[in-house]
Amino acid sequence: DTEVTQTPKHLVMGMTNKKSLKCEQHMGHRAMYWYKQKAKKPPELMFVYSYEKLSINESVPSRFSPECPNSSLLNLHLHALQPEDSALYLCASSQAMEGREKLFFGSGTQLSVL
Amino acid sequence: GNSVTQMEGPVTLSEEAFLTINCTYTATGYPSLFWYVQYPGEGLQLLLKATKADDKGSNKGFEATYRKETTSFHLEKGSVQVSDSAVYFCAFLAGGTSYGKLTFGQGTILTVHP
Repeated sequence: DTEVTQTPKHLVMGMTNKKSLKCEQHMGHRAMYWYKQKAKKPPELMFVYSYEKLSINESVPSRFSPECPNSSLLNLHLHALQPEDSALYLCASSQAMEGREKLFFGSGTQLSVL
Repeated sequence: GNSVTQMEGPVTLSEEAFLTINCTYTATGYPSLFWYVQYPGEGLQLLLKATKADDKGSNKGFEATYRKETTSFHLEKGSVQVSDSAVYFCAFLAGGTSYGKLTFGQGTILTVHP
């Protein structure tokens, strides 16, 4: 199994809503990542978890709250988002953050904030 | 700082034409180099990788060679197909304080016509 699974595939939410994005991998990877991608741009790193602990936060606004309940799961909790937060949110995993091995990406959640 | 300079697109080719997408990088140490491909409405898929100088990554007819002396990792394919139409991202993982941070180029949009 070399998949990173993300749910939901599409999400529409209002600015007062609370929602969560979910990500799962069963490759035994110990590093998991959240990226944000705007149309026609490269992905931008948001958060990195290493061994279930938050290792990197790229100065992301607090309306985005990551959580890593266990080594296979990664969540991104969303609250009071702005329309400019509309984007494709990609989850990824790799063997370890300290290595230089490839990242496996999920197919993403396309988020629209109204 | 770390950066990737990627050939600007869009690139439009006829089927069976030769493809080159240039990529050069600036990084500390000896990064691992990657090409990712993103088909419309999907996440990123790893196309190929190289982890040390003179390594050649190859997959699905695509090739790229890790050239340390020119800090380049150009993507080539001898005969493109319509199904190769996608966005191609050159990227690298460096070490040190950049652990866990995949640096992307801006992406090159490829369109192949029948």
